[in-house]
Amino acid sequence: SYELTQPPSVSVSAGQTASITCSGDKLGDKYVCWYQQKPGQSPVLVMYQDNKRPSGIPERFSGSNSGNTATLTISGTQIIDEADYHCQAWDTSTADVVFGGGTKLTVL
Amino acid sequence: QLQLQESGPGLVKPSETLSLTCTVSGDSISSTSYYWGWIRQPPVKGLEWIGNIYYSGTTYYNPSLKSRVTISVDTSKNQFSLKLNSVTAADTALYYCAGLSYDSSGFRVEYWGQGTLVTVSS
Repeated sequence: SYELTQPPSVSVSAGQTASITCSGDKLGDKYVCWYQQKPGQSPVLVMYQDNKRPSGIPERFSGSNSGNTATLTISGTQIIDEADYHCQAWDTSTADVVFGGGTKLTVL
Repeated sequence: QLQLQESGPGLVKPSETLSLTCTVSGDSISSTSYYWGWIRQPPVKGLEWIGNIYYSGTTYYNPSLKSRVTISVDTSKNQFSLKLNSVTAADTALYYCAGLSYDSSGFRVEYWGQGTLVTVSS
């Protein structure tokens, strides 16, 4: 089955740029979306189709996907961005939904 | 704006069947815009997709759970349900019901329920 790998944790200073990666075999051939999950809350979609932001998601969130790695980038990271981030892809050959293990973003 | 609400027992005994229901409000479960799904999150772990269903009854299941899972839809009640049989402690998790959109880029979760914690213990 298809697997996505994320780093368990990423730290960034407030105001700096945070990059959260998601790796998988030929991931660039698939579309990736990202969810933000704050403690005690349900996840929220923050990026879809690699680099599209849903309505209401700040412009400081951006995404890319190439080769074996997708990246969620947060520019000018704010304290309120501290959360777990989960990547998700869709295996076209099996129609399976696949999640990465999640990355805890700490804003210092 | 779709709203989803999970309901069901919070405690299930090992080897028994976990049963949850999700009630959809704000749109018809027969809407062609969405698939309906279940996703779980074990304590302090990542998200795990369980499966999706379309209002017509078409289902997609996680291969690792497929032998134990059944997802069904009740259009008359605007609800869909999850049954997971032969549960073990490894099935202890926060269970979310979800509304998913589907297009050429695949499935993505647009709406989440608040989640319901199910503990498997005797």
